[in-house]
This record gives sequence, C-alpha cells and structure tokens, in this order.
Amino acid sequence: QKEVEQDPGPLSVPEGAIVSLNCTYSNSAFQYFMWYRQYSRKGPELLMYTYSSGNKEDGRFTAQVDKSSKYISLFIRDSQPSDSATYLCAMSPYNDYKLSFGAGTTVTVRA
Amino acid sequence: DADVTQTPRNRITKTGKRIMLECSQTKGHDRMYWYRQDPGLGLRLIYYSFDVKDINKGEISDGYSVSRQAQAKFSLSLESAIPNQTALYFCATSGQTRDEQFFGPGTRLTVL
Repeated sequence: QKEVEQDPGPLSVPEGAIVSLNCTYSNSAFQYFMWYRQYSRKGPELLMYTYSSGNKEDGRFTAQVDKSSKYISLFIRDSQPSDSATYLCAMSPYNDYKLSFGAGTTVTVRA
Repeated sequence: DADVTQTPRNRITKTGKRIMLECSQTKGHDRMYWYRQDPGLGLRLIYYSFDVKDINKGEISDGYSVSRQAQAKFSLSLESAIPNQTALYFCATSGQTRDEQFFGPGTRLTVL
C-alpha cells in the first residue's frame, strides 16, 4: 500500500464548475500538506501549503486537511481552462524535509 | 532566468551508456533533491542532499549515483542505463525554513 493515495483521474469538467481533488494517507506523522500544480512539460509548482488540520483559502483555491481521517482536499471554484493541469498532493512529517507525493490527478477544464 | 535549471532537457541514449543529468540553482538553498516521475506513480525520491557534504539515498537509489559539486550544483548519474530508467527526472531545492520544494523544468530521458 502506498503511503499517499491519490486518484489519477482523469477528471474533465466544464468551465465554471467546482473541481474537487483529494488524497488519503497512512502516516500519522505527516504535519505539512501541500498541493502542487504541474502543467504539461513543466516542473511542479507549489499551489497551496497548510500545516496540520484546518482550511486555507487563496483566491479560487481552498485546501482542507482532516488529520483525524488522514484525508486532504483541494477545491477549485469557478474553474478556468487555464486550470487544466496535473495536481499532486504532497506531505511531510515535522522537521523531515522529504516529501511524499501522491500520483497526481489530471484535470481538464473544457471551455 | 529560472531559479532551478536542468540540463539536458531531453536525452535519448542506449542501454549500457553512462548518463549525467545536471542541476543548478540560484535560490541559495542548501537542500537539493532528485526525483523521477512515471505515469501513475507520481514523484519518487532518488537521492537528496542537505548540504555539500551530506548525501542520502531516497526510496529508489539503485542504479543511480549523485555528486554535489557545490551548494548550487547537484548531478545525477546513471552508470549503465537500462530501459526501465526511461522517465521524467526532476531536480528540486528547498530552504531552511519550511518544506516547500522548488522544481526545475525536468529532463525527459529515454533509454533504448
């Protein structure tokens, strides 16, 4: 069993829809949770960064962490074609500095 | 200019050849990482280095070696390439204050 599980999709939604992405994990030591966005033929770039449980909002993006369920989510509101990318979750324990990644979910937003 | 650069961007080679992938960064970070990315498997850590004198194996280091020539340079070598090393390779860096990693543009390696 992988330490971080993420449905690879693909996910296709119409423009303006809400995109919901999630990851589950097994290591209860994870404290830092991140979402990366990767466009085709590019390296991943950090989208959201959260520490421990709770919600964080940044514009159209909301990240949620539920440590009791070992479950994290990313929501994209009012999705745009420019949001079409692969989204990877990543997480790490305190003071470890190594990230464990999900497999990534490929999202296509149709105009 | 990009903060993390990788060369070459694309490489096709044959089984048994020695290959070196290079990474340079201008972010001033001490920590550097090499990953490979395969469809459905996500990013897997090959090697990481927390400073010039510190080199550590990741989860899939067999068949690979690294060299940290300076704070800003971290190279990955495949001593004798094999076809299942065909993948996207990414270099990343991180700073002292938190775990966020900054990725290079990647090298697409094909081993025939």
